[in-house]
Amino acid sequence: GQNIDQPTEMTATEGAIVQINCTYQTSGFNGLFWYQQHAGEAPTFLSYNVLDGLEEKGRFSSFLSRSKGYSYLLLKELQMKDSASYLCAVRDGDYKLSFGAGTTVTVRA
Amino acid sequence: ETGVTQTPRHLVMGMTNKKSLKCEQHLGHNAMYWYKQSAKKPLELMFVYSLEERVENNSVPSRFSPECPNSSHLFLHLHTLQPEDSALYLCASSQDVGQGYEKLFFGSGTQLSVL
Repeated sequence: GQNIDQPTEMTATEGAIVQINCTYQTSGFNGLFWYQQHAGEAPTFLSYNVLDGLEEKGRFSSFLSRSKGYSYLLLKELQMKDSASYLCAVRDGDYKLSFGAGTTVTVRA
Repeated sequence: ETGVTQTPRHLVMGMTNKKSLKCEQHLGHNAMYWYKQSAKKPLELMFVYSLEERVENNSVPSRFSPECPNSSHLFLHLHTLQPEDSALYLCASSQDVGQGYEKLFFGSGTQLSVL
């Protein structure tokens, strides 16, 4: 089974940096995903990590440490449109993707 | 047109009603999924279909009945639901199952309220 933990809420100022942590316990790790979900909209894919290290994609970066069961999503140069819920998800085995409860990020002017 | 389309966007039903949720994907994917999203809770995987064959039934009550007539369409038939079934029901698709890097493409969901 899966146990995925991430903070419930975070608040930051426009232009700042926010780091969303995710810890997990799994029997068969096969990749970690981050998704963004605006209120009332579909979750959209942000990043995928399967090897240890940092993956950078524009203002967003994602880090993975498999030995620690730990990942973070780093959002730089925050914009108002970044206000959303960020979902950490872990693939266990072939196709089962299990999600955390999500972190609601509020960006203030 | 978006990749994964769900209808209706909102649904209110009584506990004795029968209704169906529809999902259509225009991405040429072979796998489709139903997830349930309740407030402040993780997405719960309900069903997985690969090439129209059900490969996962995640201990879902029989009042939820999925149907996958072809690889582009997925339905969730609802019958005698309970108020605790009120939630956002999300459909998703992926190219295939069985590969770790496969990402899911989600629809916008159906917000269901059971009275």
